[in-house]
Amino acid sequence: AQTVTQSQPEMSVQEAETVTLSCTYDTSESDYYLFWYKQPPSRQMILVIRQEAYKQQNATENRFSVNFQKAAKSFSLKISDSQLGDAAMYFCAYRSQETSGSRLTFGEGTQLTVNP
Amino acid sequence: SAVISQKPSRDICQRGTSLTIQCQVDSQVTMMFWYRQQPGQSLTLIATANQGSEATYESGFVIDKFPISRPNLTFSTLTVSNMSPEDSSIYLCSVEGGQGDTQYFGPGTRLTVL
Repeated sequence: AQTVTQSQPEMSVQEAETVTLSCTYDTSESDYYLFWYKQPPSRQMILVIRQEAYKQQNATENRFSVNFQKAAKSFSLKISDSQLGDAAMYFCAYRSQETSGSRLTFGEGTQLTVNP
Repeated sequence: SAVISQKPSRDICQRGTSLTIQCQVDSQVTMMFWYRQQPGQSLTLIATANQGSEATYESGFVIDKFPISRPNLTFSTLTVSNMSPEDSSIYLCSVEGGQGDTQYFGPGTRLTVL
């Protein structure tokens, strides 16, 4: 079974600075997807970014980018120019590509605080 | 991405009662998922709901406790039966869509059981 680990329960960053959230995972599969979701206090789960394992290029969405290291099974999220609205719980998630309709396996989450 | 709504957004219930949570999607989707998020914890999949077939439950979740209906391709319900305080959680539905079988989530239902 796949597992996802986020080793940083809490992180903080100054507004306009850059922060990196860590995620590692364990799988024996070669094809899969990885995601970062954001959950603000409103509890809505919002997709931040996705990465397909077969793509070597790191995904980027505006101020959000990932560092995907397949061999190391690492998938970190970098937030540049942090904004107050980035404050939220961030979850890393894994989805198998080998099974249609497969479940998402989530990490424990990292609570990000943005200081003005 | 699909627009997903859930009802109710929150509820406070007495132990021993049941609550049915509705999930509505603005487009037809094959797969719908129900997750539970206990206080301060991550999301755990309860079951996968396919239209026209029985839901598939994850280990630790049973149909008698969490019956699910999926009458069409845009709607599903999850019932939390015979509730106890341990059932106090956020319940979220999600659907697959867009690129890479990405899951998109509803706004969640916050349930408190007294």
